[in-house]
Amino acid sequence: AQTVTQSQPEMSVQEAETVTLSCTYDTSENNYYLFWYKQPPSRQMILVIRQEAYKQQNATENRFSVNFQKAAKSFSLKISDSQLGDTAMYFCAFGLTGGGNKLTFGTGTQLKVEL
Amino acid sequence: ETGVTQSPTHLIKTRGQQVTLRCSSQSGHNTVSWYQQALGQGPQFIFQYYREEENGRGNFPPRFSGLQFPNYSSELNVNALELDDSALYLCASSPPGLLDGYTFGSGTRLTVV
Repeated sequence: AQTVTQSQPEMSVQEAETVTLSCTYDTSENNYYLFWYKQPPSRQMILVIRQEAYKQQNATENRFSVNFQKAAKSFSLKISDSQLGDTAMYFCAFGLTGGGNKLTFGTGTQLKVEL
Repeated sequence: ETGVTQSPTHLIKTRGQQVTLRCSSQSGHNTVSWYQQALGQGPQFIFQYYREEENGRGNFPPRFSGLQFPNYSSELNVNALELDDSALYLCASSPPGLLDGYTFGSGTRLTVV
């Protein structure tokens, strides 16, 4: 079974600054996906960024980038130039390739961006 | 392109009752998954439906059941409600076999009293 651990329940950052959210996972599989989802007060989970395990290059999406360390089973999210709209709960999630497509989520990190 | 819609948005039920939650999948998506998110926790996988058949199930008792209809919409049914069933229930749709295609709805907040 896979597990996902987010050890930072809450974080805060000043607007325009950079913040890094941590995530570690445990699996015996070799082919999988990793995700960061954002859940604002509206409750809808929004995909922020995705990483395929077979790709060594770290994924980037505008101000969002990841540091994927497969051997260490670490998958951190870096948010650059933080904006007030980035305030939300952030979840790290793991998914296996192939059938089923179940996602295993961490417990989340509440990020607050302050003026 | 419409997203995933869930109904109702909020619901209050009494312990022992039954509840049905509904989900309309995004256009072009034929796979629907349901997740339970307790307060302060990450979502937990309940089950997934593909082409009207259950295609994977998490660690939830049989009183959690579901359906998928020919138009790919889905229902989650919970019988004999317990207080611990109070949670946000999220529906997500996707094309088959593509995790990056997951689109979530805004959820149904169920409170069991």
